[in-house]
Amino acid sequence: SQTIHQWPATLVQPVGSPLSLECTVEGTSNPNLYWYRQAAGRGLQLLFYSVGIGQISSEVPQNLSASRPQDRQFILSSKKLLLSDSGFYLCAWSALGGYTFGSGTRLTVV
Amino acid sequence: DAKTTQPNSMESNEEEPVHLPCNHSTISGTDYIHWYRQLPSQGPEYVIHGLTSNVNNRMASLAIAEDRKSSTLILHRATLRDAAVYYCILHSNDYKLSFGAGTTVTVRA
Repeated sequence: SQTIHQWPATLVQPVGSPLSLECTVEGTSNPNLYWYRQAAGRGLQLLFYSVGIGQISSEVPQNLSASRPQDRQFILSSKKLLLSDSGFYLCAWSALGGYTFGSGTRLTVV
Repeated sequence: DAKTTQPNSMESNEEEPVHLPCNHSTISGTDYIHWYRQLPSQGPEYVIHGLTSNVNNRMASLAIAEDRKSSTLILHRATLRDAAVYYCILHSNDYKLSFGAGTTVTVRA
């Protein structure tokens, strides 16, 4: 069966520090991968998606970047975090029929 | 992506059915109607999807209007665990799933 792993579950980082969130998928090959962010009390915003290794599409200009070094690994990064980067970050993958989301990382930038 | 319109919130009593409406008057012929739900502090969870015909699964039923300009998600017997934000989303063959504000469902014991 397909599973998606996302870590860490919570993270508190100071302003200006780097960020690396990792997401891995098991049980499928060549999935489409996504990073979403949900600010407090808001809806989900698509940040990045990837249809293959090394292929990244950015949906909104921001302080973040994404990489896909392996077929089933998707990484969200930042060189210097801003207060506005706080939020609930969700990784997801899709195949025919639907999307599966990870359990999310709650990031608080202080 | 074509836009969907949902009520902001709905309340239900436990063990009673819940009918969640969604309007999508600009739906295109290739758009599937997807429903997801998000429990507090969790990622969204797939509920059901359909194209033209009504669909049933273990979680819910999806009733699609004949002109496809609206649909209704039906939770047959609401439980406290069904309290969540429910999102109605149109999705075609592009890669992006766009979430709106959804409907916040509250279930009273």
